[in-house]
Amino acid sequence: QKEVEQDPGPLSVPEGAIVSLNCTYSNSAFQYFMWYRQYSRKGPELLMYTYSSGNKEDGRFTAQVDKSSKYISLFIRDSQPSDSATYLCAMSASGGFKTIFGAGTRLFVKA
Amino acid sequence: DAGITQSPRHKVTETGTPVTLRCHQTENHRYMYWYRQDPGHGLRLIHYSYGVKDTDKGEVSDGYSVSRSKTEDFLLTLESATSSQTSVYFCAISVAENQPQHFGDGTRLSIL
Repeated sequence: QKEVEQDPGPLSVPEGAIVSLNCTYSNSAFQYFMWYRQYSRKGPELLMYTYSSGNKEDGRFTAQVDKSSKYISLFIRDSQPSDSATYLCAMSASGGFKTIFGAGTRLFVKA
Repeated sequence: DAGITQSPRHKVTETGTPVTLRCHQTENHRYMYWYRQDPGHGLRLIHYSYGVKDTDKGEVSDGYSVSRSKTEDFLLTLESATSSQTSVYFCAISVAENQPQHFGDGTRLSIL
């Protein structure tokens, strides 16, 4: 079993839809949670960074962490064609250099 | 954008040849990382550095070596390339452990 599981998709939605992207994990020591966006032939770009449980909002993006369920989510409101990309979740534990990445979910937003 | 430059951006080489990939940063970050990205596997850590001349292995380090003689440069070497090392290689940097990593745009390496 992988430490981090992420549905690879693809997920296809119409423009303006609310998108929900999710990851589950098995290591209860993870405390730092990140979401990255990766366009084709580019490097991952940090979208959200949260510590421990709770919600964080930045513009159209909201990240949620539920440590009791070992489940994290990224919501995208009013999705745009420019949001079409692969979204990677990532997480790490305190005192470690190692960040574990999900395999990524491909998202297509249709105009 | 974080000041990270990877070179070359693309490379095609033959099995058995040595290959060196370069990562250069202008952010003066202490930590640098090399990952490979393959379909279905996501990003996997090859090696990382926590300072000049301080490096350690990641989860897929076999067949790779690294060097860091200056804060700004982190080199990844494939001593004798194999077809299984065909991949996209990303360099990342972070200011401290557990701080978010920022990535370069990758090197596409094909080994024939």
